[in-house]
This record gives sequence, C-alpha cells and structure tokens, in this order.
Amino acid sequence: EAEVAQSPRYKITEKSQAVAFWCDPISGHATLYWYRQILGQGPELLVQFQDESVVDDSQLPKDRFSAERLKGVDSTLKIQPAELGDSAMYLCASSITTGATSYEQYFGPGTRLTVT
Amino acid sequence: DAKTTQPNSMESNEEEPVHLPCNHSTISGTDYIHWYRQLPSQGPEYVIHGLTSNVNNRMASLAIAEDRKSSTLILHRATLRDAAVYYCILNDRNQFYFGTGTSLTVIP
Repeated sequence: EAEVAQSPRYKITEKSQAVAFWCDPISGHATLYWYRQILGQGPELLVQFQDESVVDDSQLPKDRFSAERLKGVDSTLKIQPAELGDSAMYLCASSITTGATSYEQYFGPGTRLTVT
Repeated sequence: DAKTTQPNSMESNEEEPVHLPCNHSTISGTDYIHWYRQLPSQGPEYVIHGLTSNVNNRMASLAIAEDRKSSTLILHRATLRDAAVYYCILNDRNQFYFGTGTSLTVIP
C-alpha cells in the first residue's frame, strides 16, 4: 500500500539554527498539506499546496517558516531560525485533489522536532 | 473555522460496541464530516467520512443526524488496537480543522 514518506523522523536542533523537513506524498496526489501538532493538541494546518501552488498558508509564520513544492511532487518545510516554541510533531499529508467533493487525507509518520 | 465538539475521553470494554459522539451545530450544507484516529507517536489515520447519509466501511459506521448538527462514529466491536484519539472534523474546502478529539480507552 502506498504511503506518505517523511524524513527525518526525529530532529534535535539548537535555538536559532535552521531546520528542514522533507515529504514525499503518495504518487498522483495533487494536494499536499503540512501540519504542526503540539503535544496534547490536534494537528494545525500550516500550509496547503495544490500541485506546486500554495492554496492556503494563512497559519504559516512566514517570518521564520517557508514551504515549497517546486515540481508539484515532494515538498520541503523549513524553519529559520528555530525557536523553543517550535518543538512539535510536523506532519505531512496528501490527498487526490481538492474540489467540490471531499477526499480523505493520508498522513505520513511525522517528524518530531525538539528545539533546545 | 468549522468547529466540532467532542468529549475529551471515553472508555469501552473490549469486544463491545463504542459510540463516539460529535456535535457540529454550525455545519454548512457543503461540509463533509470526517473521522480520523491517531495512535500514539503516529500520524492520523482516516476512518470514515460522509455528507448526509449514514456510511459503513470495514473500520466503522458513521451515523449522521437528520439535521446534520451531530454525528456518531460507531466501532462495532472494540479491540485493544482501537485505543486512540478520535477526531471529528468538518471538511471545509478540503481544509481540515482538528480539535482535541476524544481519547478512547479500551479495557480488556
């Protein structure tokens, strides 16, 4: 069964350093999502791509976070500089497409970030 | 944001049915109701979704109230592997707004 791949699975970084996460969605999935999940809370959407275009990045802290999906396939989420409050699980998900109907999202295993 | 309300936690005995409720009084006519679950240290997993009619799949059943202001996820026979946090989500323009979900404990 096809899966969403994420790397690394765990990352420890010092405050003020740069960090990057990678996601490879299920083949053929046009929509890609990045979520942040703080311990004890539900995932919070950071950014949503439709192919290579950003559909929604209203919750992305753009002063330090950036996301790209250059060829409409895999994606990278970057934080620079990292802050202590960025410690969380970063989840990537993909779905077939957006549109008038509704499709399920498939989540990757996540990257656990610890900022020291 | 489309909002849902769920109990923080529920318990069930193994091999018994579980009914997980969700209130979504502000649902719009085009919002789909999705359910996901998340095991510890894993990404969320799709369970089921529907619009107006009740839905069944191999994992669960989804019962949607006639006015669509509430829904219930039904696990027909709980197993220890069903212990997880269950999220009820309204799908607005294919954007998902997760709440804090219901933590289900299954008692052997």
